[in-house]
Amino acid sequence: QAGLTQPPSVSKGLRQTATLTCTGNSNNVGNQGAAWLQQHQGHPPKLLSYRNDHRPSGISERFSASRSGNTASLTIAGLQPEDEADYYCSAWDSFLSVWVFGGGTKLTVL
Amino acid sequence: EVQLVESGGGLVQPGGSLRLSCSASGFTFSSYAMHWVRQAPGKGLEFVSSISGNGGSTHYADSAKGRFTISRDNSKNSLYLQMSSLRAEDTAVYYCVRDSGSHDYWGQGTLVTVSS
Repeated sequence: QAGLTQPPSVSKGLRQTATLTCTGNSNNVGNQGAAWLQQHQGHPPKLLSYRNDHRPSGISERFSASRSGNTASLTIAGLQPEDEADYYCSAWDSFLSVWVFGGGTKLTVL
Repeated sequence: EVQLVESGGGLVQPGGSLRLSCSASGFTFSSYAMHWVRQAPGKGLEFVSSISGNGGSTHYADSAKGRFTISRDNSKNSLYLQMSSLRAEDTAVYYCVRDSGSHDYWGQGTLVTVSS
């Protein structure tokens, strides 16, 4: 089953802003919206945002998400060393009736 | 506090079977759909299966269809994944995940290794 498309890696400097992208189609991201997950090495993923731009309680305002058409974006402002992690997007695919994930983006904070 | 605790992983030979369990607490279990999501070593996340709150509706990834069966016992606040005809490519950490419209809570995962 086809997944969502994410760039494999992004590198940005400390205190800079990083924008991660996730491209799907009209059956998933474009229809149901996307969620973003953060995963540090050796730990389970953590939900950062859902339904495109909603942030769970406890998640820093430095993380903001949006969607334009079939592409979702996660913007991380004021990068900190602890932001270095793998980031995944996910969405419900109404045609396949399954959840689909992106391949993940490894964010490096220089 | 929401807690999801997986168990049942381990080493199994190709072609073998394994049953994973997930014990849930801290929320009204029957009110939520639940998922199994896996992650092969060094790889990304992959949806395996989902089940509705009352157990009446299930979905499977193509890789799991015909081999895996998801089920739940709401009286025991437990989620299960019966896996059979296991292959080397099923080797992964299997996560139990709550679905509130998104994957909002994840367990720590249980490692399944398929190898002879």
